Amino acid sequence: AQKITQTQPGMFVQEKEAVTLDCTYDTSDPSYGLFWYKQPSSGEMIFLIYQGSYDQQNATEGRYSLNFQKARKSANLVISASQLGDSAMYFCAMTRRGYGQNFVFGPGTRLSVLP
Amino acid sequence: DGGITQSPKYLFRKEGQNVTLSCEQNLNHDAMYWYRQDPGQGLRLIYYSQIVNDFQKGDIAEGYSVSREKKESFPLTVTSAQKNPTAFYLCASSPGTDFEDTQYFGPGTRLTVL
Repeated sequence: AQKITQTQPGMFVQEKEAVTLDCTYDTSDPSYGLFWYKQPSSGEMIFLIYQGSYDQQNATEGRYSLNFQKARKSANLVISASQLGDSAMYFCAMTRRGYGQNFVFGPGTRLSVLP
Repeated sequence: DGGITQSPKYLFRKEGQNVTLSCEQNLNHDAMYWYRQDPGQGLRLIYYSQIVNDFQKGDIAEGYSVSREKKESFPLTVTSAQKNPTAFYLCASSPGTDFEDTQYFGPGTRLTVL
C-alpha cells in the first residue's frame, strides 16, 4: 500500500530565506506521480508542483522546486525567498498508475514565515 | 475563468437531516472527486467519478452518496447515516485518471451539524 510521510508537523522560517519541507513515500509501483499542495487558512488546496517517477530532472515552478531522490523515496519541497504569504499548510501527495488517479495525502506541515 | 465552484461555503445541518453539497467545474475535466478533511488532518477520499454516470467508493464512503449525471457536476449528499459529518469538504477534478494528471480543487464547504 502507498504511504506518504511528512515528519515535520510545523516549521518556522525567516522571511526571504529558503526552507525545505520533507516528504518521503512508500510504493512498489514503478509509475507514480508526486504532488505538493498549499492550503492557506481559507481552506482551498492550491497545486504547487508535480514530479513524475520517470522524470530525470527535478521539477521547478517559480520559487518552488522539488528535490526528488528516487532511491531514497523522498520528494522534498524547497521554497526559495520565503514570503509572509507562504504561511500555510503544505501537503505532499502521490498517485500511481491504474488506481483511478486516487491521491494519497500526507498529514501536512504547517509553515510559518516570520517577518 | 475556468475553475471549480462549491456551494454553499458554510452549511449548518440538524441531526437526522440529509444535505447536498454542490460541486461544478467548467474545466472540461473527465474525473471528479470528493474529499473530507477533519481539523489538523490530511484529506480522505469519499467518492470519485472517472466518467459520467459512473462513480466509485473511496476510503470513507459510508453515510455519503453521489451522482454524476453531467460531466461538469458532481453533487455530494451527506445522509443522516453519517455518524460524524462535521468537517470540511473539498471537491476536485482532473483531466483524466493517469498518474500524471493533476487534481484541481474547489474552495470547499464547511459543514457543521448542530
